[in-house]
Amino acid sequence: GENVEQHPSTLSVQEGDSAVIKCTYSDSASNYFPWYKQELGKRPQLIIDIRSNVGEKKDQRIAVTLNKTAKHFSLHITETQPEDSAVYFCAANNNAGNMLTFGGGTRLMVKP
Amino acid sequence: DGGITQSPKYLFRKEGQNVTLSCEQNLNHDAMYWYRQDPGQGLRLIYYSQIVNDFQKGDIAEGYSVSREKKESFPLTVTSAQKNPTAFYLCASKIGGINTGELFFGEGSRLTVL
Repeated sequence: GENVEQHPSTLSVQEGDSAVIKCTYSDSASNYFPWYKQELGKRPQLIIDIRSNVGEKKDQRIAVTLNKTAKHFSLHITETQPEDSAVYFCAANNNAGNMLTFGGGTRLMVKP
Repeated sequence: DGGITQSPKYLFRKEGQNVTLSCEQNLNHDAMYWYRQDPGQGLRLIYYSQIVNDFQKGDIAEGYSVSREKKESFPLTVTSAQKNPTAFYLCASKIGGINTGELFFGEGSRLTVL
């Protein structure tokens, strides 16, 4: 089955700096890669996703890049703010498209 | 107000007891999922269901059971066969069909085995 690895497990940045979280996946048939944000004590929520037919997608301060050849994708957050502090999870679907496998999560801390 | 509701929020259980976690959604979603969340291990899939009266095992189904008798309900039973049941359990749902689609999560249930 699909295996998703996520790095780093913790990331501390100064407010205003950029943050990058990287994930690799194993199943070359995966074609959907979402990112979820989980604030402390809250449920995970989708913040951005990318499909395999594009290499990059942006939404304000958040962007995701995908390299299908290398089987990795990354989340980029620019101009970080304290409210960006949370745990971020990447995920990839399986070849049947009906399941998501999640990475281990990255705890991002933005210091004011 | 549409959403997905899990109960109870906190649950304590003695070793050897079964316990059932409730998950209800009024989003009219076909697919429902149960994930287990442990520190540093992300979200691991226990069971999922794409349609009423049908469900499939996920990556860590041993020691768990589910049912899907109604579209809006997908309860999870943690049995005494689960070796390490203390964890945070998240239920999720999405519109049916393959490939993509946002997962909507409940607020979770924290189970502690004493």
